[in-house]
Amino acid sequence: AQSVTQPDIHITVSEGASLELRCNYSYGATPYLFWYVQSPGQGLQLLLKYFSGDTLVQGIKGFEAEFKRSQSSFNLRKPSVHWSDAAEYFCAVVRYSSASKIIFGSGTRLSIRP
Amino acid sequence: NAGVTQTPKFQVLKTGQSMTLQCAQDMNHEYMSWYRQDPGMGLRLIHYSVGAGITDQGEVPNGYNVSRSTTEDFPLRLLSAAPSQTSVYFCASSYAGTNTGELFFGEGSRLTVL
Repeated sequence: AQSVTQPDIHITVSEGASLELRCNYSYGATPYLFWYVQSPGQGLQLLLKYFSGDTLVQGIKGFEAEFKRSQSSFNLRKPSVHWSDAAEYFCAVVRYSSASKIIFGSGTRLSIRP
Repeated sequence: NAGVTQTPKFQVLKTGQSMTLQCAQDMNHEYMSWYRQDPGMGLRLIHYSVGAGITDQGEVPNGYNVSRSTTEDFPLRLLSAAPSQTSVYFCASSYAGTNTGELFFGEGSRLTVL
């Protein structure tokens, strides 16, 4: 079955520290991959997406993610976090050629320590 | 520039009552969908539509109905509310389905069923 795993439920990092949020997926072929962010009381907003090509993709707000086929991973990174990055982050996948169904991970809540 | 608009933002129902969550988008998106968000479970797809007159089931469709009479509107109906339907509901739309385009989310509707 198609699945997306975000192994970390809650992460706390200090402001200015680097961040890596993990995402693993299970598919036979390369899926389309997304990271979304949800601020408190808001809907989700797309941070970045990967369809093909360069495995390191840049997104908004200084985030980047790297697709590693060998590890079935699509981890999100940021070199230096800001207090405003506190939010919940969701990894999502769409299986290539399977239209209209995007599967979300369970999310990782990020807290920022002053 | 409204984007995706959901109403109401908050609703309390008694078991057995029915109600409709409204969703409207002004971006001329063909694809629209409804998700529910529960703690620790991420977002789960309830129903989706790839265009006016076309709807299909997602992962958790039981207890919900949808219709798509216009491109702009995609209401979600709860026929007989149950406590298990207590959740936050998100409507999302996309110009090209979810395999090539990003989803645009509403701000959510928090439903409590007593």
